[in-house]
Amino acid sequence: GDSVTQMEGPVTLSEEAFLTINCTYTATGYPSLFWYVQYPGEGLQLLLKATKADDKGSNKGFEATYRKETTSFHLEKGSVQVSDSAVYFCALSNAGGTSYGKLTFGQGTILTVHP
Amino acid sequence: DAGVTQSPTHLIKTRGQQVTLRCSPKSGHDTVSWYQQALGQGPQFIFQYYEEEERQRGNFPDRFSGHQFPNYSSELNVNALLLGDSALYLCASSLEWGVYEQFFGPGTRLTVL
Repeated sequence: GDSVTQMEGPVTLSEEAFLTINCTYTATGYPSLFWYVQYPGEGLQLLLKATKADDKGSNKGFEATYRKETTSFHLEKGSVQVSDSAVYFCALSNAGGTSYGKLTFGQGTILTVHP
Repeated sequence: DAGVTQSPTHLIKTRGQQVTLRCSPKSGHDTVSWYQQALGQGPQFIFQYYEEEERQRGNFPDRFSGHQFPNYSSELNVNALLLGDSALYLCASSLEWGVYEQFFGPGTRLTVL
């Protein structure tokens, strides 16, 4: 079945540092890919998405490019802020078969940014 | 424009009891999905409702059941609660069945003692 693997966490950075959180996936067909963010005590918020190969999703300074050849969707930000501290989830949704309409999530990566 | 709302915010139950969680989707959305998020884990798909029918189901036992009402709101019911059912239960809505972008509510924190 479909699966998502995120880099082992947590990640601790200083403010203004460069961020990369790795995400790879296994899926049949052509899934859509997402990054969600979860702030402490809250639900999930959609951060960005990409629906086909080579698409780049971007929002609030975060970017991720859908790489079908490497089955990856790594999240990047050039300069993180303390307010970016949260848990980040990579997810996919696949139109094929039993995955239709549901999101499959990675295990999450905790990001802590220090001043 | 109200987003996805869930009630209650927190709930404490004992083993063997039954619980009902409620969700109202984002305005204009007709599809509701439920997810279970254990502490330190990613959300796991429970099931999805569209047109008042369960359309997809994840690997959860029959103790987990749901319902969708004509106004698109939804309930998640869990019978015979186990300690392992303690988790954050998230509701998500989308514009229509199969549309991939889902909007999440704040969740209901269930603690089973």
